[in-house]
Amino acid sequence: EADIYQTPRYLVIGTGKKITLECSQTMGHDKMYWYQQDPGMELHLIHYSYGVNSTEKGDLSSESTVSRIRTEHFPLTLESARPSHTSQYLCASSGSDTIYFGEGSWLTVV
Amino acid sequence: SQELEQSPQSLIVQEGKNLTINCTSSKTLYGLYWYKQKYGEGLIFLMMLQKGGEEKSHEKITAKLDEKKQQSSLHITASQPSHAGIYLCGADRNQGGKLIFGQGTELSVKP
Repeated sequence: EADIYQTPRYLVIGTGKKITLECSQTMGHDKMYWYQQDPGMELHLIHYSYGVNSTEKGDLSSESTVSRIRTEHFPLTLESARPSHTSQYLCASSGSDTIYFGEGSWLTVV
Repeated sequence: SQELEQSPQSLIVQEGKNLTINCTSSKTLYGLYWYKQKYGEGLIFLMMLQKGGEEKSHEKITAKLDEKKQQSSLHITASQPSHAGIYLCGADRNQGGKLIFGQGTELSVKP
């Protein structure tokens, strides 16, 4: 079973608020990823990291930012949330031949 | 056009029947991942295929990757209601673990 955790699972916040979605894994993986999935749509990569102090933007442009200060922790931050940010955000980490996903964080911006 | 196409988009089968889901890429892949997702939840890893012609099985699910590494199929034998969900294929194009995903196949199994 994958040891990758996301909090919060569900969040409803007002426009303009700053939010941070947490992602932690205890498998010692160097590679971590954030995907965004709108309801009924495909997943798209928005950020990835290949190790501490390494972060890159993914295929889908996102106003969110990420940081990787510790191997096990890869938080995603929105400085000023907007209704267009309403979506599910999924964190993943990669081992030798498996990519594990967390349970996702549902964000609703009202 | 989609870089990774899944078919069918939805499937309703009677319990006990076999079924196949296909995933086709326009480019040769480094690796192909299959996941299952319950609506609004995370992805459960099923299998990963990397070598041309590779085939893997787990319980009643078998996944294959063709020799050219551009097409994969997921086959479920004697389907059960517990198999219901959304099946996603994800392709790793360059060994970086950065996946592109198909649109998903929604499977319903009627008891």
